[in-house]
Amino acid sequence: AQKVTQAQTEISVVEKEDVTLDCVYETRDTTYYLFWYKQPPSGELVFLIRRNSFDEQNEISGRYSWNFQKSTSSFNFTITASQVVDSAVYFCALSLYSSASKIIFGSGTRLSIRP
Amino acid sequence: DTAVSQTPKYLVTQMGNDKSIKCEQNLGHDTMYWYKQDSKKFLKIMFSYNNKELIINETVPNRFSPKSPDKAHLNLHINSLELGDSAVYFCASSQDWDRGRGNEQFFGPGTRLTVL
Repeated sequence: AQKVTQAQTEISVVEKEDVTLDCVYETRDTTYYLFWYKQPPSGELVFLIRRNSFDEQNEISGRYSWNFQKSTSSFNFTITASQVVDSAVYFCALSLYSSASKIIFGSGTRLSIRP
Repeated sequence: DTAVSQTPKYLVTQMGNDKSIKCEQNLGHDTMYWYKQDSKKFLKIMFSYNNKELIINETVPNRFSPKSPDKAHLNLHINSLELGDSAVYFCASSQDWDRGRGNEQFFGPGTRLTVL
């Protein structure tokens, strides 16, 4: 069965600190896709990144970076020099090629950045 | 300019009523979805349509019936509303590349349904 685990329910850091959000996934499929979404207090869901299972390159986008490691089935998300605007719930998600367009979401990590 | 829009944003109703939530996307996508987010923020897919064809139907009570009049619209009708239906319902869409496989989904703003 496929599953996404975000063990950190809540994280609180002071502004400008770096913070890493953990994501561990489970699947036996060899072709799959991983995502991160952000849900700010306003409630909308914002797409951040997609990775396919054949692309283990890490990615950096401004202050955001993602570390995909198939060996540990992890897809962690790091925010460098965090800002108050980064406060949100962050969801990691998994989609299998074999399951059409179904996305399985983790339970989310609530990130609070204190000024 | 809104990519995925939903109406209404808030819906308060009594148990037993029937209600509908509308969703429209102007992204030219062929795959659309409905998700339910409960009070603990847990997000679960309910339905997915590709080119008006139902491709995902999770274990959802048949009081919930999606309707896709065209590929830009996916409405959700709920009959005989129950207290447990209170949640935020999100519509989403994705590019039709291999029936939406692996493509990022773009979400609407959500509809907060409260059943009294």
